[in-house]
Amino acid sequence: EDQVTQSPEALRLQEGESSSLNCSYTVSGLRGLFWYRQDPGKGPEFLFTLYSAGEEKEKERLKATLTKKESFLHITAPKPEDSATYLCAVLGLSGSARQLTFGSGTQLTVLP
Amino acid sequence: DGGITQSPKYLFRKEGQNVTLSCEQNLNHDAMYWYRQDPGQGLRLIYYSQIVNDFQKGDIAEGYSVSREKKESFPLTVTSAQKNPTAFYLCASSMGYGRDSPLHFGNGTRLTVT
Repeated sequence: EDQVTQSPEALRLQEGESSSLNCSYTVSGLRGLFWYRQDPGKGPEFLFTLYSAGEEKEKERLKATLTKKESFLHITAPKPEDSATYLCAVLGLSGSARQLTFGSGTQLTVLP
Repeated sequence: DGGITQSPKYLFRKEGQNVTLSCEQNLNHDAMYWYRQDPGQGLRLIYYSQIVNDFQKGDIAEGYSVSREKKESFPLTVTSAQKNPTAFYLCASSMGYGRDSPLHFGNGTRLTVT
């Protein structure tokens, strides 16, 4: 059974204070790892897909990296508008058709 | 603008009543999904559909039913058999079914059953 664990559950940063969110996973053959951003009361918004260890993707202040066991979402000099819950999900070889396994998310708060 | 529309945003029902949540997409996506989100838990898949008139159970299908009569519509019915129906329900779609087709989500329906 595929599993995804995100840490920390919640993170409070001062504006400009860089940090990283962790997504640890176990999967029977990784086909893809996905990062989403979710604002309160809204649906998740797609950020990145990573396919293999060593891969990196960047978007504005966010950079996602991938190893064989975990992924990090690095946030450089965050701003208050980066406050959201960040979700990680993996797509493995097990299961039928399209089945993602999601983590429970990291709630990020960036204080001005 | 293309997207996924879920309605209503908030829904209140009495225990024992069936309720249907609407999901419409104009992205011309083939695949559609229903997820449930509870505090402290990851999203859990209820049902998914890869093509019109066909759908598959996800991990937590008991107490739910769906239909896919049109490509753009995938309504979810929460029946009285669902033991803990109060939750945030998310509809999603994707162009295809592989790893290169990330999910696009609607803004959810928050269902409260008392």
